[in-house]
Amino acid sequence: RKEVEQDPGPFNVPEGATVAFNCTYSNSASQSFFWYRQDCRKEPKLLMSVYSSGNEDGRFTAQLNRASQYISLLIRDSKLSDSATYLCVVNAFDLGSARQLTFGSGTQLTVLP
Amino acid sequence: SAVISQKPSRDICQRGTSLTIQCQVDSQVTMMFWYRQQPGQSLTLIATANQGSEATYESGFVIDKFPISRPNLTFSTLTVSNMSPEDSSIYLCSVGGLGTDSYEQYFGPGTRLTVT
Repeated sequence: RKEVEQDPGPFNVPEGATVAFNCTYSNSASQSFFWYRQDCRKEPKLLMSVYSSGNEDGRFTAQLNRASQYISLLIRDSKLSDSATYLCVVNAFDLGSARQLTFGSGTQLTVLP
Repeated sequence: SAVISQKPSRDICQRGTSLTIQCQVDSQVTMMFWYRQQPGQSLTLIATANQGSEATYESGFVIDKFPISRPNLTFSTLTVSNMSPEDSSIYLCSVGGLGTDSYEQYFGPGTRLTVT
């Protein structure tokens, strides 16, 4: 089983649509969770951290379910500029680990005009 | 966050040669990492660059193939040695310990390497 698994995608949605990405992680001891965004031929950029209580940043809402080891990202009112690959990221919780991260394989989103 | 630069941004190299990639940060950071992202794949951690001591390598990566230096808190290098076409990839450095969550990492723009 992969440490971090994401929806396979790709997702092709019309502008204005709401789209949700899901992610599961295998290590119940993980403490930090993130969504990164990666544009084509660019580096990953931190989109948002995911907190236990859920958190929102404008059109983006992230939620965490520790019991199910499940993370989600909801994008409302999709814009063309939201087209990118979204990476689910979890801290690699090994004793002595120097703050390492494990990346999911990513879900590609294309927002269509 | 920090401003992170990498040199070179891209290179085409012949098999059997070596390439050294530089990562420069505009502020002192406690943690620096090197990743590889092969075409169509997600990121794989190569090693943690430790200031003043040997890097910590992940399973499948060895110092002879990927020697790393970290002479101070703002700079690190990754060398890809004795390259083969399988080493064609994007190599990214990242820094950590800057955000409110100590696990947050910020990435350099990457070095796109093609080995012929």
